[in-house]
Amino acid sequence: GENVEQHPSTLSVQEGDSAVIKCTYSDSASNYFPWYKQELGKRPQLIIDIRSNVGEKKDQRIAVTLNKTAKHFSLHITETQPEDSAVYFCAATYGTASKLTFGTGTRLQVTL
Amino acid sequence: NAGVMQNPRHLVRRRGQEARLRCSPMKGHSHVYWYRQLPEEGLKFMVYLQKENIIDESGMPKERFSAEFPKEGPSILRIQQVVRGDSAAYFCASSPEGNGYTFGSGTRLTVV
Repeated sequence: GENVEQHPSTLSVQEGDSAVIKCTYSDSASNYFPWYKQELGKRPQLIIDIRSNVGEKKDQRIAVTLNKTAKHFSLHITETQPEDSAVYFCAATYGTASKLTFGTGTRLQVTL
Repeated sequence: NAGVMQNPRHLVRRRGQEARLRCSPMKGHSHVYWYRQLPEEGLKFMVYLQKENIIDESGMPKERFSAEFPKEGPSILRIQQVVRGDSAAYFCASSPEGNGYTFGSGTRLTVV
């Protein structure tokens, strides 16, 4: 089955700096890669996703890149703000309506 | 659209009791997924259901756990004879045909 590894487990950046979180996946058939943000005690919320026919996708300060050959995908947050502080999870799946396999999460702390 | 509704939000059970967790998917979503999140950990897949069918239960413990999604009414995750190790947040997610999960707010189960 699919296995998703995520690094780093914790990340501290100063406000205004960029943050990068990286994931690798094992199943070359995976074709959908969402990223979720989870604040303390709350539900995971989808912030951006990418499909395997696209190499990069951007939404304001958030971007995701995908390298299918290396089976890597990354989340980039620019101009970080304190409200970006949360746990971020990457995930992977293949096909439609299949289960998502999640990474272990990255705790991002944005300091003033 | 009320989103994915889970209840109860918090559930306390004594060891040996039964826990029943309910999930109503978003309107128009026919796919329901249950995930478990232990404190400070990631989301672990448990089961994927469509109406009246279990599609994938590869993440469900072999004993004490069961799930259903009847033709009418919410999806139910049932845990019999709960033990302290069952204490966790249980999240339900739904999706229409295709990807794009929406998570509910979760049920936080505490076994005392």
